[in-house]
Amino acid sequence: AQSVTQLDSQVPVFEEAPVELRCNYSSSVSVYLFWYVQYPNQGLQLLLKYLSGSTLVESINGFEAEFNKSQTSFHLRKPSVHISDTAEYFCAVSDRGSGNTGKLIFGQGTTLQVKP
Amino acid sequence: DVKVTQSSRYLVKRTGEKVFLECVQDMDHENMFWYRQDPGLGLRLIYFSYDVKMKEKGDIPEGYSVSREKKERFSLILESASTNQTSMYLCASSGGGALTYEQYFGPGTRLTVT
Repeated sequence: AQSVTQLDSQVPVFEEAPVELRCNYSSSVSVYLFWYVQYPNQGLQLLLKYLSGSTLVESINGFEAEFNKSQTSFHLRKPSVHISDTAEYFCAVSDRGSGNTGKLIFGQGTTLQVKP
Repeated sequence: DVKVTQSSRYLVKRTGEKVFLECVQDMDHENMFWYRQDPGLGLRLIYFSYDVKMKEKGDIPEGYSVSREKKERFSLILESASTNQTSMYLCASSGGGALTYEQYFGPGTRLTVT
């Protein structure tokens, strides 16, 4: 069965420092990959996605992620974080083994804590 | 803008009660999903539906049932609530074709069973 592993449960970082949130997945088939963000007391919002094409994808608020097929990774990065980036981040992979039903498999989540 | 709404943000119920959680989406999406979210466990899929009146079990369906009588509405039912069902419940929807895997989430319902 497919799985997603987010290697860090919490990542504390100072404002304006760079950050990387790590995500590895297990799959033998082609996948779609997603990062979602959850701000306190809210639902999940799509941050960015990889469906095909360029392996480097970007969001509108400065995050980027790179699809690495050989390492089965989809790490999320930002060169300079803000206090407002404090949130929980979830990596997800498409469950292609379930047919085309839209199922996603989520990682356990990483809490990004940005300190002033 | 896709909008997914859930009937309650906070809900407190007693053990043994029947609980209904409602989810409505306004984008004519084919697929709808119910998850529960617990600290350290991420999101776990309870049930999903890929068409009206169609449903499939997710990873943790025990103690839950669902109903999808109309395309825009997907209900989660706790037949007899128990304290271990205290959790955050998230509903999501996705469209077809290239958007099949792009899920949009509601704000969540935090359910407490006492």
